Amino acid sequence: GQQVMQIPQYQHVQEGEDFTTYCNSSTTLSNIQWYKQRPGGHPVFLIQLVKSGEVKKQKRLTFQFGEAKKNSSLHITATQTTDVGTYFCAGRQQGAQKLVFGQGTRLTINP
Amino acid sequence: SAVISQKPSRDICQRGTSLTIQCQVDSQVTMMFWYRQQPGQSLTLIATANQGSEATYESGFVIDKFPISRPNLTFSTLTVSNMSPEDSSIYLCSTRVGADTGELFFGEGSRLTVL
Repeated sequence: GQQVMQIPQYQHVQEGEDFTTYCNSSTTLSNIQWYKQRPGGHPVFLIQLVKSGEVKKQKRLTFQFGEAKKNSSLHITATQTTDVGTYFCAGRQQGAQKLVFGQGTRLTINP
Repeated sequence: SAVISQKPSRDICQRGTSLTIQCQVDSQVTMMFWYRQQPGQSLTLIATANQGSEATYESGFVIDKFPISRPNLTFSTLTVSNMSPEDSSIYLCSTRVGADTGELFFGEGSRLTVL
């Protein structure tokens, strides 16, 4: 079945440093979504990417969807303590309804 | 958007008992989803609940263990039956509003600890 792999599992940075998490799917995706889950909270939708090679920005966050629609990345510039949490990618295989979540990258920040 | 209320928020349960989790959405939705998130892990889809039909379970999850009700377009319940410590987890309900491929909205989650 479809698998979505996400790395790294953990990342600890100093405040102000950049952070990137990567997501790879075993199959071609129709779209990919990113979610953020704060400690003790529930996942909250960040963005959806649909087009091959798409790049979207939300303030300090940059999301990319690979040309082959099998990988994606989330990059945070100049991290702040409010960025702490676990970031999940979730991909939907072409023709499928089900959203498959990656394992998540847990980001911790040293102030 | 959708606002989802889920209860209980947490519970401590005895082995062999069953617990029902309730999920209320502030608008009518077609599909509701139940996820499990084990400590420090990702989200795994248990089942999809459509109003007026049987829930569709994912591989590894069965109706006898996780019976689901969907009596109307704003409400669903998930029961965790005959619990064991391995069922200790966060259970999340979610839904989509609008397009079938749109974003998911999640409830706050129900953290179950089975002793």
